[in-house]
Amino acid sequence: GQNIDQPTEMTATEGAIVQINCTYQTSGFNGLFWYQQHAGEAPTFLSYNVLDGLEEKGRFSSFLSRSKGYSYLLLKELQMKDSASYLCAALDSNYQLIWGAGTKLIIKP
Amino acid sequence: GAVVSQHPSRVICKSGTSVKIECRSLDFQATTMFWYRQFPKQSLMLMATSNEGSKATYEQGVEKDKFLINHASLTLSTLTVTSAHPEDSSFYICSARVRESGELFFGEGSRLTVL
Repeated sequence: GQNIDQPTEMTATEGAIVQINCTYQTSGFNGLFWYQQHAGEAPTFLSYNVLDGLEEKGRFSSFLSRSKGYSYLLLKELQMKDSASYLCAALDSNYQLIWGAGTKLIIKP
Repeated sequence: GAVVSQHPSRVICKSGTSVKIECRSLDFQATTMFWYRQFPKQSLMLMATSNEGSKATYEQGVEKDKFLINHASLTLSTLTVTSAHPEDSSFYICSARVRESGELFFGEGSRLTVL
């Protein structure tokens, strides 16, 4: 079957760094997405990785290892506004998005 | 990377009206574009696949007469929600596949609210 695993909840301190991991098993693979979603709002696109390696975009970076079925989202210099749910999603061979349940990130001062 | 522009990012409309969402590939030609919808507290689901110059292929359970998809050029696909109802309120995302490489790029989504 197809499956995405990510931690349910994480807590970090303002100004620190946090890494949110995601493992996936899909029928074929066409890329992996990270989205940020604040309560009651639409998800916001953060990153898309289809090749192995790290992609950096400001305070956020995303890493992919296709051979391991593994990705992580790295958030640096955490700010209170980064408190949100972070959704990992893999695109399968039929271009269906397979979603994780999301990781609720709590930032403490 | 390539850019896919989706417009509008947010739209509010009255029940019974039609709403058009555009998806444009800004710096590449896209032979195929995909439309997704997010259901509340659920995943993004593929609605339909559109190829330039031909009719869209709809996923099971998606009403093709309600969700009109037009892919008139290699850089533009449109999704029209006809006679919108409150249950159509959702988050819609498009993606476009690069003709030469097959890479896929996503728009940033459109939030539709039907009153």
